[in-house]
Amino acid sequence: GQQLNQSPQSMFIQEGEDVSMNCTSSSIFNTWLWYKQDPGEGPVLLIALYKAGELTSNGRLTAQFGITRKDSFLNISASIPSDVGIYFCAGLNSNSGYALNFGKGTSLLVTP
Amino acid sequence: DTGVSQDPRHKITKRGQNVTFRCDPISEHNRLYWYRQTLGQGPEFLTYFQNEAQLEKSRLLSDRFSAERPKGSFSTLEIQRTEQGDSAMYLCASSFAASSYNEQFFGPGTRLTVL
Repeated sequence: GQQLNQSPQSMFIQEGEDVSMNCTSSSIFNTWLWYKQDPGEGPVLLIALYKAGELTSNGRLTAQFGITRKDSFLNISASIPSDVGIYFCAGLNSNSGYALNFGKGTSLLVTP
Repeated sequence: DTGVSQDPRHKITKRGQNVTFRCDPISEHNRLYWYRQTLGQGPEFLTYFQNEAQLEKSRLLSDRFSAERPKGSFSTLEIQRTEQGDSAMYLCASSFAASSYNEQFFGPGTRLTVL
């Protein structure tokens, strides 16, 4: 599988700030998933996207499926200390199989 | 709790030993996946099953690795003659194949350390 380009690699912000991160691929996907992982734990699914241009929210999180189908974006509004963790994007094209391709992650640190 | 479970959570072994990990998926999920994650990287796909059939294997899955899902429920991943390079977090995920949605739910992982 391919590794997706995820940026930024890390972010250090103050509580209350908004956060944006993105993910790009050289291939077209029909599914984009965003996960959060805490140290020593498995990834937890945050948001799933299935249509180009789709904008989906989950509480303070909003994600978008890029219209080119090769990128996706995640925004976190009004960050809080428990948002700390590593955020991963993952994409797949179910016409080619069901293996998720992951980015390297964005490490988020939030100071009170 | 009806999430994905994995056992053991941690395993320390000596180089050359065999290890086996177990994964129990969410009960109604018929697809089961194995991934490997090394420090600073995202998970990398190893293999997946639909019911008891192993449908896809990554090139990462060398001949020392074997996965089974004999009754279409739990799965095991065995690594024979472990090497230090096998040290990683091994993650299991599951999904519901009949759904048009491709959401995969992960377990807590098994951390393998090969000395």
